[in-house]
Amino acid sequence: DSGVTQTPKHLITATGQRVTLRCSPRSGDLSVYWYQQSLDQGLQFLIQYYNGEERAKGNILERFSAQQFPDLHSELNLSSLELGDSALYFCASSTGGPTSGAYEQYFGPGTRLTVT
Amino acid sequence: AQSVAQPEDQVNVAEGNPLTVKCTYSVSGNPYLFWYVQYPNRGLQFLLKYITGDNLVKGSYGFEAEFNKSQTSFHLKKPSALVSDSALYFCAVREGLGGYQKVTFGIGTKLQVIP
Repeated sequence: DSGVTQTPKHLITATGQRVTLRCSPRSGDLSVYWYQQSLDQGLQFLIQYYNGEERAKGNILERFSAQQFPDLHSELNLSSLELGDSALYFCASSTGGPTSGAYEQYFGPGTRLTVT
Repeated sequence: AQSVAQPEDQVNVAEGNPLTVKCTYSVSGNPYLFWYVQYPNRGLQFLLKYITGDNLVKGSYGFEAEFNKSQTSFHLKKPSALVSDSALYFCAVREGLGGYQKVTFGIGTKLQVIP
């Protein structure tokens, strides 16, 4: 158990809908990362937050947004969903800040999103 | 821009034999290198990392990796493979200095240990 929790575990929704994925980082970790994993794209970095502030964006679509709250949990919002958004979404956390590259990331179990 | 390559989609090895999962990287400065493992329907788990110092790094579950600066490689190794090692392995790289350091993951290598 990594100490990172994600809810829900599974999500099935229709095209055009909006969903929210939730992540609680390990106790004490200030950095939260979101990733998308699909069979054809591999593991894609979406976005990173550090202590409530957005610090880096990767391949995140404009239809997607995220935030980190004062209690450090994070939410990833996916809107106007398309079939191609079906994937595993992982949250990870780390001890270090955005300029502390030496720290490993601890991953949650993921949320499997199916868009029908 | 930094990048990481895992040249083999799948590696098959017999139980008890040594295993190697290959990784090469490209960064403009000094690299921080990581290996993660993903079991089916699970998140990635950290195995080991190279930051500085000894080129041979030891990690969890008997795995080790060798940093080779001249060949820009960081291959994952284990002296004797177990069936339970069968999983998806990811190499990741982060540039060591300056500003924000995004981590880049490889596409993953599926390790199949045959009983």
